[in-house]
Amino acid sequence: DTEVTQTPKHLVMGMTNKKSLKCEQHMGHRAMYWYKQKAKKPPELMFVYSYEKLSINESVPSRFSPECPNSSLLNLHLHALQPEDSALYLCASSQVKGLVYGYTFGSGTRLTVV
Amino acid sequence: AQKVTQAQTEISVVEKEDVTLDCVYETRDTTYYLFWYKQPPSGELVFLIRRNSFDEQNEISGRYSWNFQKSTSSFNFTITASQVVDSAVYFCALGVRSEKLVFGKGTKLTVNP
Repeated sequence: DTEVTQTPKHLVMGMTNKKSLKCEQHMGHRAMYWYKQKAKKPPELMFVYSYEKLSINESVPSRFSPECPNSSLLNLHLHALQPEDSALYLCASSQVKGLVYGYTFGSGTRLTVV
Repeated sequence: AQKVTQAQTEISVVEKEDVTLDCVYETRDTTYYLFWYKQPPSGELVFLIRRNSFDEQNEISGRYSWNFQKSTSSFNFTITASQVVDSAVYFCALGVRSEKLVFGKGTKLTVNP
């Protein structure tokens, strides 16, 4: 299995809702990432988990809350989002030294906040 | 700070034409990694190639080739005999030390039949 699976593929949520994005991989990778990609823009790193511990937080607002319950799963909990948070959220995984071994990306969750 | 510049926002070619996508990077680190990713309309980022700063060898993979020149800080990507399936947004990315990839703004390639 060489895939990163993200669910749901599409999500529409209101500004008062709480929702979660899920990412799963079974490649034995011990680093996992969340990226945010606005329309017609490049992906921007949000969070990095290494060995299930948060290692990088790119000053992301607290309405985004990541969680890595085990080495195969990565969640992104969403609460009180704003319309400007509408974007494609991409998950990726890698062996711990991703720069050396490369990253595998999922196909993303397209989030619309109304 | 690291920076990646993809000066071509959009390129449109006719099938079977060759096309080169430009990538210029900036970093003060002597050890760094360069990547190219393809993003079709479905959204996933498809890995194409990774190069480290110590390996300036050019690479060819089928219709794809990459020209890495440290002297000009460039890592250009050429598609030979383009096909409609090559239509996508292509991103060049740079990584140093930490696991943060810095992406260029991307080049949207449209290959017309």
